Amino acid sequence: AQKVTQAQTEISVVEKEDVTLDCVYETRDTTYYLFWYKQPPSGELVFLIRRNSFDEQNEISGRYSWNFQKSTSSFNFTITASQVVDSAVYFCALSDPNAGGTSYGKLTFGQGTILTVHP
Amino acid sequence: DTEVTQTPKHLVMGMTNKKSLKCEQHMGHRAMYWYKQKAKKPPELMFVYSYEKLSINESVPSRFSPECPNSSLLNLHLHALQPEDSALYLCASRIQGSGELFFGEGSRLTVL
Repeated sequence: AQKVTQAQTEISVVEKEDVTLDCVYETRDTTYYLFWYKQPPSGELVFLIRRNSFDEQNEISGRYSWNFQKSTSSFNFTITASQVVDSAVYFCALSDPNAGGTSYGKLTFGQGTILTVHP
Repeated sequence: DTEVTQTPKHLVMGMTNKKSLKCEQHMGHRAMYWYKQKAKKPPELMFVYSYEKLSINESVPSRFSPECPNSSLLNLHLHALQPEDSALYLCASRIQGSGELFFGEGSRLTVL
């Protein structure tokens, strides 16, 4: 069975601080995708990044960066110089490549981390 | 703005009512999903449609009835719901072969 653990339930920082959200996953599959989604108060889940299990290259997108380490089954997300607009719930998710013929379409979500950035 | 549109954004219904949630996308995605999200919890998969055919039903009670009339539309028909069914219902779509789901803003349902 697949499992995603986000150990940090809530994080509170002051604007301009750097913050790292942890994600640890469990899967028996050798091929899978990992994702991060952001859910602001409006409710929509906003896709941030997808990482293929074969690609361990770290990625940076503006103030966001991701550190994927297959050896420790971790896919951590760092926000540099946080801003108030970063306040949201962040979900890490793992795809199931064998779900009903719709490969990679079924996501297992972590419990989410509530990030609050104070001015 | 999201390219997956859900209506209505808010819905209040009684336990004897029949209502429907609607989802529309024009990105050409052939896989569409319904997820249910309770407060302070992650989304949980309910149904998956692939090429307009139901491919996954995660043991959802029959009071929830999905329908995919065409490749752009996905409906969720609601009948005889319970108060515990109150939640945010999220629709999503995905390009076949790709991994990421694109979500709508959700329909927040309250059952009285």
